[in-house]
Amino acid sequence: SQKIEQNSEALNIQEGKTATLTCNYTNYSPAYLQWYRQDPGRGPVFLLLIRENEKEKRKERLKVTFDTTLKQSLFHITASQPADSATYLCALIRGGYQKVTFGTGTKLQVIP
Amino acid sequence: KAGVTQTPRYLIKTRGQQVTLSCSPISGHRSVSWYQQTPGQGLQFLFEYFSETQRNKGNFPGRFSGRQFSNSRSEMNVSTLELGDSALYLCASSLTGQGYEQYFGPGTRLTVT
Repeated sequence: SQKIEQNSEALNIQEGKTATLTCNYTNYSPAYLQWYRQDPGRGPVFLLLIRENEKEKRKERLKVTFDTTLKQSLFHITASQPADSATYLCALIRGGYQKVTFGTGTKLQVIP
Repeated sequence: KAGVTQTPRYLIKTRGQQVTLSCSPISGHRSVSWYQQTPGQGLQFLFEYFSETQRNKGNFPGRFSGRQFSNSRSEMNVSTLELGDSALYLCASSLTGQGYEQYFGPGTRLTVT
């Protein structure tokens, strides 16, 4: 069966360091992969989208990589700040009807 | 540009009742998707509507249904509520579909007692 795993439920990191979150998938061939941020009591907020033929995407302090051979995406936040503390979700989208499946999320805590 | 709005924000219902939730997408967005979020199962896709047609459906029982109107506003209905239906119901709109950037609303917190 199809499975999406995000490296850990929670990740604590010191302010100023780079946070790296992992999204692994099996039995899946996504056409796109998205990353979202969700704060408590709010809906997810779109951050980045990367296509299967792209290796890397950047936006300000954010970087996403997509390795279809390893079936893995890495999400990096450089120079992390306490305001980056939130739950981060990866979402895989197949081609065709573009049905989306979300991972369970990683709760990031940036410690001052 | 106004964001996605959902009403009501909070609801308490009793087992066996039915409920209707409403979602107004961002102006110009034709795709509306619905999700259920629970601590145990995470964010699960319910269905997607595009130009008043259901284009995608998740693995939920037939008690969960939805529709989209000509102005792209959408409603979802849950009949014969069960305790396990307690969740945060999120609506997301997009220009063309889930494969592109989705904008989520604040959600409706449904509690079934």
